[in-house]
Amino acid sequence: ILNVEQSPQSLHVQEGDSTNFTCSFPSSNFYALHWYRWETAKSPEALFVMTLNGDEKKKGRISATLNTKEGYSYLYIKGSQPEDSATYLCARTGNQFYFGTGTSLTVIP
Amino acid sequence: NAGVMQNPRHLVRRRGQEARLRCSPMKGHSHVYWYRQLPEEGLKFMVYLQKENIIDESGMPKERFSAEFPKEGPSILRIQQVVRGDSAAYFCASSPPVDSVYGEQFFGPGTRLTVL
Repeated sequence: ILNVEQSPQSLHVQEGDSTNFTCSFPSSNFYALHWYRWETAKSPEALFVMTLNGDEKKKGRISATLNTKEGYSYLYIKGSQPEDSATYLCARTGNQFYFGTGTSLTVIP
Repeated sequence: NAGVMQNPRHLVRRRGQEARLRCSPMKGHSHVYWYRQLPEEGLKFMVYLQKENIIDESGMPKERFSAEFPKEGPSILRIQQVVRGDSAAYFCASSPPVDSVYGEQFFGPGTRLTVL
């Protein structure tokens, strides 16, 4: 994998459902994996930075895991709420920042 | 503490004109990054600057694009002789002086450039 890839591209879930999405990235020359949340008409906001294989981070109902050996990270949202609706971006840093194209999440009330 | 400021928020240029996009980083941040988001695409890294230095410009098109971050004042992304394909949202981000690769970046609201 040469680029940072995110899946699915978009996701619709019902309020209260839990969901997760994937960020895949080249594992060579890896420094850190970043997750950002990007609401429409706003700027991307940082959620997590992870550097070590096996890292897990949590902020409220949102958590993330990192596997640097196989080159993937998962973002989990427990009990989705309408305010979670946003695009979730991941970025891998090595020599520079490489962003994925994001997963667009819509939580239906 | 004001966040990252970008201006203008919207810029319209005719083909062949110059576009200047400004970015004022957060107070205390000395690292600035520029990204471009083309329609239907994700964020693409363009350039990484520190005060008076270009650290990495591997994402910048070879022609017509330049960036600077002077000792005083905002960072400027300059696009000469704009073409329709330059129409995009341009985002600036800043980070504190240490661990720029590991630390989070704080994004500005973006400048939406439209080339007629």
